[in-house]
Amino acid sequence: SQTIHQWPATLVQPVGSPLSLECTVEGTSNPNLYWYRQAAGRGLQLLFYSVGIGQISSEVPQNLSASRPQDRQFILSSKKLLLSDSGFYLCAWRTPGQGRTEAFFGQGTRLTVV
Amino acid sequence: EDQVTQSPEALRLQEGESSSLNCSYTVSGLRGLFWYRQDPGKGPEFLFTLYSAGEEKEKERLKATLTKKESFLHITAPKPEDSATYLCAGSGAGSYQLTFGKGTKLSVIP
Repeated sequence: SQTIHQWPATLVQPVGSPLSLECTVEGTSNPNLYWYRQAAGRGLQLLFYSVGIGQISSEVPQNLSASRPQDRQFILSSKKLLLSDSGFYLCAWRTPGQGRTEAFFGQGTRLTVV
Repeated sequence: EDQVTQSPEALRLQEGESSSLNCSYTVSGLRGLFWYRQDPGKGPEFLFTLYSAGEEKEKERLKATLTKKESFLHITAPKPEDSATYLCAGSGAGSYQLTFGKGTKLSVIP
């Protein structure tokens, strides 16, 4: 069966510090991978998605970047965090299927920038 | 631009009081309509996929239905453990992403 791992679960970082969140998927090959951010009352905002190794699409201009160094590994990074980067970050994967497949989510990372 | 709107934002029910959550969508070339449950501090948990108008899916006390403009999540005789935020999302033709609504926070009171 497929599983998705996302860590850390919580993180408190000072403004201006770097960020690295990691997500790995097991039990599937060539998944589509996603990073979402969830803010209270604003729903899930898609940040990045990837359809293959080294292929990253950004949906929202921001202080963050993403990389996919391996087929089932997706990393969210920042060189210098802003207060506005605080939020709940979710990684997800989907089987490619022309929009017909569901996404499965990790347990999320609660990031607080202080 | 694809849009998904959920109502109400919050719903309080007495245990056993059935109700429905609404999800209105404008998604170009809808390929799938998805329902999720999210508990506080956790990632969304997949519930259902609906593909075409008239389709219905059931799981325990939950039943999801789909029309050409809306989807409903019917909750029959809810229990306190059904308390959660329920999210709806749509995926359109040629799109890699899911467009999510803001969710309905359901509270079931014993």
